Amino acid sequence: AQSVTQLGSHVSVSEGALVLLRCNYSSSVPPYLFWYVQYPNQGLQLLLKYTSAATLVKGINGFEAEFKKSETSFHLTKPSAHMSDAAEYFCAVSAYSNTGKLIFGQGTTLQVKP
Amino acid sequence: GAGVSQTPSNKVTEKGKYVELRCDPISGHTALYWYRQSLGQGPEFLIYFQGTGAADDSGLPNDRFFAVRPEGSVSTLKIQRTERGDSAVYLCASSSERTGTGGYGYTFGSGTRLTVV
Repeated sequence: AQSVTQLGSHVSVSEGALVLLRCNYSSSVPPYLFWYVQYPNQGLQLLLKYTSAATLVKGINGFEAEFKKSETSFHLTKPSAHMSDAAEYFCAVSAYSNTGKLIFGQGTTLQVKP
Repeated sequence: GAGVSQTPSNKVTEKGKYVELRCDPISGHTALYWYRQSLGQGPEFLIYFQGTGAADDSGLPNDRFFAVRPEGSVSTLKIQRTERGDSAVYLCASSSERTGTGGYGYTFGSGTRLTVV
């Protein structure tokens, strides 16, 4: 069965610093992987997705993620944090159940300090 | 519509009451999902519709929960005899994908925050 682990429920960075949010997955088949962002009182917005094409995936707002099969990881990065990046971030894996069902991690809250 | 619309945005109900939560997906999206997000947790799958039929309802926690999508667009999640443990944000999402692999990703609505007192 597929699962997702996000390391660190809270990450704090200074404005302009590198953002690194960690995600490890477990899947018995090649997975589809996603990062979503959730701003306060809003729904989840798709940042980027990996669907077995290029292993380095670029998303919106300057974020990117690299699929590393050997490490079963899909970490999210951004070279320079902005105050507007403060939000909750969720990593998800497709459950490969023929329904498009996603399994989400518990989320990482990103705080950006001025 | 331009996005996924969920109503109401907030619902407070008394324990034991019946509630209905509505989801209006993006026009033309055949796939529709309901998820439940408890405080401090990631969303958990409840049910998936492809068109009018519930293709996967394995996430519904018990028989108090039921969802319909009679015309293949708007969906209603129904909860009978609500309990305090049902308090959560209920998220709806839609997708144009018909194959069920999940590769398209979803568009989520803003959710309905249900509080059972």
